Amino acid sequence: DTAVSQTPKYLVTQMGNDKSIKCEQNLGHDTMYWYKQDSKKFLKIMFSYNNKELIINETVPNRFSPKSPDKAHLNLHINSLELGDSAVYFCASSQEVAGGTWEQFFGPGTRLTVL
Amino acid sequence: AQSVTQPDIHITVSEGASLELRCNYSYGATPYLFWYVQSPGQGLQLLLKYFSGDTLVQGIKGFEAEFKRSQSSFNLRKPSVHWSDAAEYFCAVGAPMFSGGYNKLIFGAGTRLAVHP
Repeated sequence: DTAVSQTPKYLVTQMGNDKSIKCEQNLGHDTMYWYKQDSKKFLKIMFSYNNKELIINETVPNRFSPKSPDKAHLNLHINSLELGDSAVYFCASSQEVAGGTWEQFFGPGTRLTVL
Repeated sequence: AQSVTQPDIHITVSEGASLELRCNYSYGATPYLFWYVQSPGQGLQLLLKYFSGDTLVQGIKGFEAEFKRSQSSFNLRKPSVHWSDAAEYFCAVGAPMFSGGYNKLIFGAGTRLAVHP
């Protein structure tokens, strides 16, 4: 039973195309995230959703649009792909605890290569 | 602004040797601190976490870490490294965004561990 799953695992596409990455969690968590890991392995948060509402939107080009149809899913759509978008994208989820903290569970990642 | 520094980009140790990976953080309040491990081609797995209380925390796979507020450090240790420990290790700090406890993780740049047989 995979806790956080992402599809596809690998994505190779041409510049200018539009693509989507899907994420699903079966942990019953109420918060989901997208992180980007660049070629130097640096991880940076992009977006966070809590109960389908956007709560974190870092400085990300508006070509990136997250969509959360329900608490268990957070998809990432990317328009007009550029070479610099090549990276590994990780989805994560957690259960928020007011006044406390929690563990983020990560998916296996989607390696996006833009040619 | 919150930040995490992992001074060592790459460390090589012999199998059976002890290990210490360094992590320094910058954060105004009591931080929530994490160590994650990423094996090649894999996602991130949580090794251990510090929220409060005992400053020496035990994790999975024989790892431990010690929170030292005076040094703003959260170094990861293992007394005897196994070849399967070769991976990328990330230190992270949890940053509250709202009073309700919403958070994001801020990661260090990672330390790549190589293990010689």
